[in-house]
Amino acid sequence: DTEVTQTPKHLVMGMTNKKSLKCEQHMGHRAMYWYKQKAKKPPELMFVYSYEKLSINESVPSRFSPECPNSSLLNLHLHALQPEDSALYLCASSQGPTVTSYEQYFGPGTRLTVT
Amino acid sequence: QQPVQSPQAVILREGEDAVINCSSSKALYSVHWYRQKHGEAPVFLMILLKGGEQKGHEKISASFNEKKQQSSLYLTASQLSYSGTYFCGTESAGGTSYGKLTFGQGTILTVHP
Repeated sequence: DTEVTQTPKHLVMGMTNKKSLKCEQHMGHRAMYWYKQKAKKPPELMFVYSYEKLSINESVPSRFSPECPNSSLLNLHLHALQPEDSALYLCASSQGPTVTSYEQYFGPGTRLTVT
Repeated sequence: QQPVQSPQAVILREGEDAVINCSSSKALYSVHWYRQKHGEAPVFLMILLKGGEQKGHEKISASFNEKKQQSSLYLTASQLSYSGTYFCGTESAGGTSYGKLTFGQGTILTVHP
């Protein structure tokens, strides 16, 4: 199984709501990533978890809160988002503890709209 | 710092070849190439490491000039399935850039019958 799954596929939330994005992989990968992608732009790294510990935070605003409950699961908790946070949120995983030398497997993404 | 890709877009007929370039102002440890079709997730194509190691698909080739911090992706005998946006992701050597990719702005490749 070489699949990364993400739920939900689409999410519409108000600026005062709290919601969570979920990502799951069963490939035994040691690193998991959150990316944000705006339309016609490249993916931008947000967070990296390596061996279930947060190893990279790209100065992401605190309204985004990542969580890695176990080696297969990655969550992104959302609170008090702004309309400019509307984007495609991609999860990825890689076999190695970092991206070096290892391909990333991307999930299909969650299309988030903040109203 | 974001790598620069060229060209921004390219249109081909089936069977034609294309080259996509990726250039960085920083010393690089690795270059990764991904293709993303509209509405889909990025898919891995190739990794090129400092020192010459490569990992990737048989039908796609790439080069990595460490001295110039440049990489090129070579698409030969293009097929309709090659259409999509190609991103290079660079991992800079040392400092806080190690272990993470910064993607270029993308090259849109369109293959016509």
